[in-house]
Amino acid sequence: DVKVTQSSRYLVKRTGEKVFLECVQDMDHENMFWYRQDPGLGLRLIYFSYDVKMKEKGDIPEGYSVSREKKERFSLILESASTNQTSMYLCASSLGADAGRSGQPQHFGDGTRLSIL
Amino acid sequence: AQRVTQPEKLLSVFKGAPVELKCNYSYSGSPELFWYVQYSRQRLQLLLRHISRESIKGFTADLNKGETSFHLKKPFAQEEDSAMYYCALKGYNFNKFYFGSGTKLNVKP
Repeated sequence: DVKVTQSSRYLVKRTGEKVFLECVQDMDHENMFWYRQDPGLGLRLIYFSYDVKMKEKGDIPEGYSVSREKKERFSLILESASTNQTSMYLCASSLGADAGRSGQPQHFGDGTRLSIL
Repeated sequence: AQRVTQPEKLLSVFKGAPVELKCNYSYSGSPELFWYVQYSRQRLQLLLRHISRESIKGFTADLNKGETSFHLKKPFAQEEDSAMYYCALKGYNFNKFYFGSGTKLNVKP
């Protein structure tokens, strides 16, 4: 069974702090994703990565950066936290985009509820 | 443009009643569609995918390319079905998924 582990369930930080959210998956998946989940807005993609050291911007990358130094680990970084970044953050992983892998879903972690004061 | 629309934010039904959660998509070509569910205080998990033509927990979803829809249905709702449901589309770039805004299903006793 795929396991996606996010380092913290709850996190409280202050405005202006640099915040790191960590995510680890144990299934050797090529793809990893960071979303934020807000009521009424669903899941919005922040960044994703399809290989080590590779990253692509999602729909709302402003104020965020990511790091993928190892295949199993994908970090989300809030460079200077602001109150409008208070949200639930979800990490996901999936197999790579091969023609023979249609129907492959994304697998999610438990989420990190981040509050910026 | 690739897009998923879930028009209902909240759907309330009584136990035993049929339920249909609507999902419409925008996509050129052959789409891959999924339904995800998130129970209270649990992680988002895959419910079903259209390519498998499966029924999970009594739920089914049929891809209708003419209407560009992938509605989720269950003939007799149970209280334990109360959850948040998201429809998702796998995009042209196979790495990306597009999620709808979600529908909260409330099954009343």
